[in-house]
Amino acid sequence: GENVEQHPSTLSVQEGDSAVIKCTYSDSASNYFPWYKQELGKGPQLIIDIRSNVGEKKDQRIAVTLNKTAKHFSLHITETQPEDSAVYFCAASRDSGGYQKVTFGTGTKLQVIP
Amino acid sequence: NAGVMQNPRHLVRRRGQEARLRCSPMKGHSHVYWYRQLPEEGLKFMVYLQKENIIDESGMPKERFSAEFPKEGPSILRIQQVVRGDSAAYFCASSLDYRGNTEAFFGQGTRLTVV
Repeated sequence: GENVEQHPSTLSVQEGDSAVIKCTYSDSASNYFPWYKQELGKGPQLIIDIRSNVGEKKDQRIAVTLNKTAKHFSLHITETQPEDSAVYFCAASRDSGGYQKVTFGTGTKLQVIP
Repeated sequence: NAGVMQNPRHLVRRRGQEARLRCSPMKGHSHVYWYRQLPEEGLKFMVYLQKENIIDESGMPKERFSAEFPKEGPSILRIQQVVRGDSAAYFCASSLDYRGNTEAFFGQGTRLTVV
């Protein structure tokens, strides 16, 4: 089955700096890569996603890159703000017998220091 | 359009009791996923259901755990004879359709504590 590894597990940055979270996946059939943000006591919320036919996608301060050959993808947050503090999960998804099976990374706890 | 609703938000059960977790998907969504999250860990897939059908339960323990998504009403994750190791946050997600990798929306979760 799919295996998704995520690094680092914790990340502290100064407000205004950039944060980068990296993930690798094992199943070359995975074709959809969402990123979720989970705030304390809440459910994960999709913040950005990328499909396998795209190498990069940007949405304001958030960008994601995908390298299919190397099977890794990354989340970039620029000009970080204290409200960006949360746990971020990457995920890899593939069509599995008629539905999308999603495998999550282990999460990165991001702390933005004011 | 209300989001995915899970209840209860917090559930305390003594060892050996049964736990019933409910998930009402977003309006119009017919695909439901259940995940378990242990403290300081990621989300682990448990089961995927469509209306009246279990499609994939490969992530669910073979004993004590069951799930259903009836034609009417919420999806139910049922844990019989709970043990301390069942303490975790259980999240439900729903999606409109799997085609085109449609976004899955998560509920707020149910935090189960077994004492």
